[in-house]
Amino acid sequence: DTAVSQTPKYLVTQMGNDKSIKCEQNLGHDTMYWYKQDSKKFLKIMFSYNNKELIINETVPNRFSPKSPDKAHLNLHINSLELGDSAVYFCASSKGREKETQYFGPGTRLLVL
Amino acid sequence: GEDVEQSLFLSVREGDSSVINCTYTDSSSTYLYWYKQEPGAGLQLLTYIFSNMDMKQDQRLTVLLNKKDKHLSLRIADTQTGDSAIYFCAESDSYSGAGSYQLTFGKGTKLSVIP
Repeated sequence: DTAVSQTPKYLVTQMGNDKSIKCEQNLGHDTMYWYKQDSKKFLKIMFSYNNKELIINETVPNRFSPKSPDKAHLNLHINSLELGDSAVYFCASSKGREKETQYFGPGTRLLVL
Repeated sequence: GEDVEQSLFLSVREGDSSVINCTYTDSSSTYLYWYKQEPGAGLQLLTYIFSNMDMKQDQRLTVLLNKKDKHLSLRIADTQTGDSAIYFCAESDSYSGAGSYQLTFGKGTKLSVIP
């Protein structure tokens, strides 16, 4: 059974479009995250949510808006996509209490043309 | 700010041992992790070590932690072609409140295993 899943796996779109990426975890975790991995494989945190509440909001353009309808889901909406948004976006989750181990989804490969 | 450094490439022959090194700057790190990323795939948690431990062994994997030098290493015994991947060292340092920890990743070491 998939622990952390993301849809879509691949996303190719034109500059200026608005798109969403969805993430779901069935681990019963309280905290979820979005990371961005650029073409050089650098991984950087973007956001984290705990029980639907925004905790971490790194320096990310406000074109990116995370939404957490419940603690098992964390979606990422991106407005007015730019070429530089092309990357792999990883969702992760953690228990958020005693243990800090984060489990990652398979990634969404976004290509902006 | 926090920083995690790794060498970018490592090449070993099949059957040899691989040692991937990592240094970090934040002495308040509580957990240190190794993640594996195969081509076109997501991040797979390999192992982690709590900062009050010196060593952790898990089958072919041995993690060594030198807290004084802030140096972490991952040793893979009997390296196989299936071990070819990028290995990321990460530290969990910043507690951002409400059960949310920020992972800081190294840039990844690309391990190539020569048959």
